[in-house]
Amino acid sequence: KNEVEQSPQNLTAQEGEFITINCSYSVGISALHWLQQHPGGGIVSLFMLSSGKKKHGRLIATINIQEKHSSLHITASHPRDSAVYICAVRASGTYKYIFGTGTRLKVLA
Amino acid sequence: DTEVTQTPKHLVMGMTNKKSLKCEQHMGHRAMYWYKQKAKKPPELMFVYSYEKLSINESVPSRFSPECPNSSLLNLHLHALQPEDSALYLCASSQNPATSGGTYNEQFFGPGTRLTVL
Repeated sequence: KNEVEQSPQNLTAQEGEFITINCSYSVGISALHWLQQHPGGGIVSLFMLSSGKKKHGRLIATINIQEKHSSLHITASHPRDSAVYICAVRASGTYKYIFGTGTRLKVLA
Repeated sequence: DTEVTQTPKHLVMGMTNKKSLKCEQHMGHRAMYWYKQKAKKPPELMFVYSYEKLSINESVPSRFSPECPNSSLLNLHLHALQPEDSALYLCASSQNPATSGGTYNEQFFGPGTRLTVL
């Protein structure tokens, strides 16, 4: 079992839908990072969280440290949101990121 | 400037070639990372440089040779690669790789170099 699990693995949505991507982890962490990667492209940082909630435009990220769970929400989804969304945690006392396997999101017009 | 740049964007090389990948950041970050990413897989850490010194080598074959000439620049020298080394090579940087409690260091990623080994 991976230390960082994401669900769903694949997601297809219609434009305008509200989307939730989940991340669960089994290790103690100092921070959790949500990343976005377009096909064939580099990685863009969306949020880094150690507690609570962050919002940027149509994106909202929440984390529950006690439950070891984080969610990424996209409101009013758009085809340009189509990408792979990766959850990565920084395990406590280490420099390393542990990456989830990613959620492939496709938003249809 | 909150950007990590990488050159070239694409590279095709034969198994006998020698080539180099370049990564640059001007955010004053003191830790820099090389990752390898195969299709539909998460990135795998290869090397970590901390204050211009190699601090972590994740058992990477010697045909990959990293170099950090200064705090802004990170190179990855490639020699005698195999076709299975074809991948997206990502560079990242962070303020520092500190592991002391309570701090975290966001890694900023570059756009990657798509490497094909023939």
